[in-house]
Amino acid sequence: DTGVSQDPRHKITKRGQNVTFRCDPISEHNRLYWYRQTLGQGPEFLTYFQNEAQLEKSRLLSDRFSAERPKGSFSTLEIQRTEQGDSAMYLCASSRPGTGVIGTQYFGPGTRLLVL
Amino acid sequence: DQQVKQNSPSLSVQEGRISILNCDYTNSMFDYFLWYKKYPAEGPTFLISISSIKDKNEDGRFTVFLNKSAKHLSLHIVPSQPGDSAVYFCAASAYSGANSKLTFGKGITLSVRP
Repeated sequence: DTGVSQDPRHKITKRGQNVTFRCDPISEHNRLYWYRQTLGQGPEFLTYFQNEAQLEKSRLLSDRFSAERPKGSFSTLEIQRTEQGDSAMYLCASSRPGTGVIGTQYFGPGTRLLVL
Repeated sequence: DQQVKQNSPSLSVQEGRISILNCDYTNSMFDYFLWYKKYPAEGPTFLISISSIKDKNEDGRFTVFLNKSAKHLSLHIVPSQPGDSAVYFCAASAYSGANSKLTFGKGITLSVRP
């Protein structure tokens, strides 16, 4: 169990640029989640996948955000035309399918984005 | 609207004493609750969870209590250790976590004094 990994760990960009983050889930987990955490807040749900299917998207996920999981393994989260309000920690989590403790979500270390 | 509330932003306790972290929720559809611990520059780490069919779950030094009628849960850490100093998030999900997006509170910063 190597855990959830995210790349890059930190990203600084200028307003208006596009950025892409990658998440590699725990190998036997077929569910993958993206959350965003801003200062002083808890993580907020953005979207989740079961295998390659994107099953739910939050209204926080504006049309500048797109997430993919093309082969049901790793996932990417792209933000187009970044704004200063996009500055946050972007967290990825993965889980097995199932209820209760079986479906516990395990988080990666996050990607901290700063938009100047 | 904040569906999961952690109203106390911080808590300081002496090493060896009990830490009690509280959480309230408003959504009656929530039926599964979790506590995560977070150190700076790391992702949240799962601690313990409880289903709404139970009122208590224990794992080592950590015990979670659920009061469904009051829509309140608490995490007890006994005895508290300096390494427990971190931010603790309460989270909730509906449908026993089967789908399942988590709704988090804002977190409580616990400081355990040696």
